[in-house]
Amino acid sequence: KAGVTQTPRYLIKTRGQQVTLSCSPISGHRSVSWYQQTPGQGLQFLFEYFSETQRNKGNFPGRFSGRQFSNSRSEMNVSTLELGDSALYLCASSLVPSGANVLTFGAGSRLTVL
Amino acid sequence: AQSVSQHNHHVILSEAASLELGCNYSYGGTVNLFWYVQYPGQHLQLLLKYFSGDPLVKGIKGFEAEFIKSKFSFNLRKPSVQWSDTAEYFCAVKGNTDKLIFGTGTRLQVFP
Repeated sequence: KAGVTQTPRYLIKTRGQQVTLSCSPISGHRSVSWYQQTPGQGLQFLFEYFSETQRNKGNFPGRFSGRQFSNSRSEMNVSTLELGDSALYLCASSLVPSGANVLTFGAGSRLTVL
Repeated sequence: AQSVSQHNHHVILSEAASLELGCNYSYGGTVNLFWYVQYPGQHLQLLLKYFSGDPLVKGIKGFEAEFIKSKFSFNLRKPSVQWSDTAEYFCAVKGNTDKLIFGTGTRLQVFP
């Protein structure tokens, strides 16, 4: 079966712009989690969605937001981009919320902010 | 708040050497513990997990990890590493917050 698909894979933006990243989970998976990966910081938890509801949120500013659609696809949005937002954004899906289940990760969307 | 510490940031070994990567967490209640691995150019994938039962868990590719509750640790081990084990390894913990929290990762380089 198809894995977790993230688009776009690479993108370059400038400070002040906004960006939307998309994640299509494995078919049948209803939980989607988002992480920011940077060198030295590891994976920082952004948020998790299950059945279109945000279940958990990490310690990121309000510029970071997300949503989940009825088909379980999820998007995250970052507004007013800053240089420090440059990172690999990973999406992961699971059958049910992440803590009790194994996450399957996508390849990530690499964002560069200039 | 729960947190995860991986004290080894970068480990360099020769093939056939033994490996132990440290992982400590801060939460005192019931935990689910994971090790994920990211090979160069590949997705993060599960190496092994502990939910309950035998504290010594075995994963793929000959890896194992031991849950020591009194030490809040879940160290990863492999008796003899191979060049193909070169990757970044992440420990992750789920406590009562229901969030899966990752450590900062350990980069392992194995030289032939």
